Amino acid sequence: QLQLQESGPGLVKPSETLSLTCTVSGGSVSSGSDHWAWIRQPPGKGPEWIGDIYSSGSTYLSPSLQSRLTISADTSRDQFSLQLRSVTAADTAVYYCARRLAVAGHWYFDLWGRGTLVTVSS
Amino acid sequence: DIQMTQSPSSLSASVGDRVTITCRASQAINLYLAWFQQKPGKAPKALIYAASTLQSGVPSKFSGSGSGTDFTLTISSLQTEDSATYYCQQYRTYPLTFGGGTKVEIK
Repeated sequence: QLQLQESGPGLVKPSETLSLTCTVSGGSVSSGSDHWAWIRQPPGKGPEWIGDIYSSGSTYLSPSLQSRLTISADTSRDQFSLQLRSVTAADTAVYYCARRLAVAGHWYFDLWGRGTLVTVSS
Repeated sequence: DIQMTQSPSSLSASVGDRVTITCRASQAINLYLAWFQQKPGKAPKALIYAASTLQSGVPSKFSGSGSGTDFTLTISSLQTEDSATYYCQQYRTYPLTFGGGTKVEIK
């Protein structure tokens, strides 16, 4: 059964880089037509899509974040990662990784990790 | 960007009530819409995709309808375990966007 697990520091200082990894167990990030995604949710607010990475390695990033954002994949470890540079308190959120399952032309978030809270504070 | 507007932002209903949540897209998204349920401290859970297709394992009391710009999520008979926040999300085009959420409480 496919599972996703986020990992990384829970506290990041302002102006530094937030780095998270999502480990995919029971599946592969490099096969099939599924996409892999990062989503965040600030405390008390709704989810915000951060970006997608395809099995081909192509990425689609949120325009509001793309100047500070890198999403990459390590296919040998079935992991994909997020790096967000120059963080501020506004980047404090629960960060989720998720799969976008392809079903008859619909790519929807069918499976999510449990999420990890990242706080930006000195 | 496509803006997703949900209404109401919150509601309170009794056990057994029929509940309807509305989601409107700022431009046509065909059927590229999903609904999620989120309980406190948990990740969102997919309920419906393609506007009306029930995710595997989701009870049939949940249903979705609509196309283009106007969509609804209906809970046919509200139960205590349905207390949660519900979000719609479009995946027609990037950037993917979510609605602001509807918090459903039990009277």
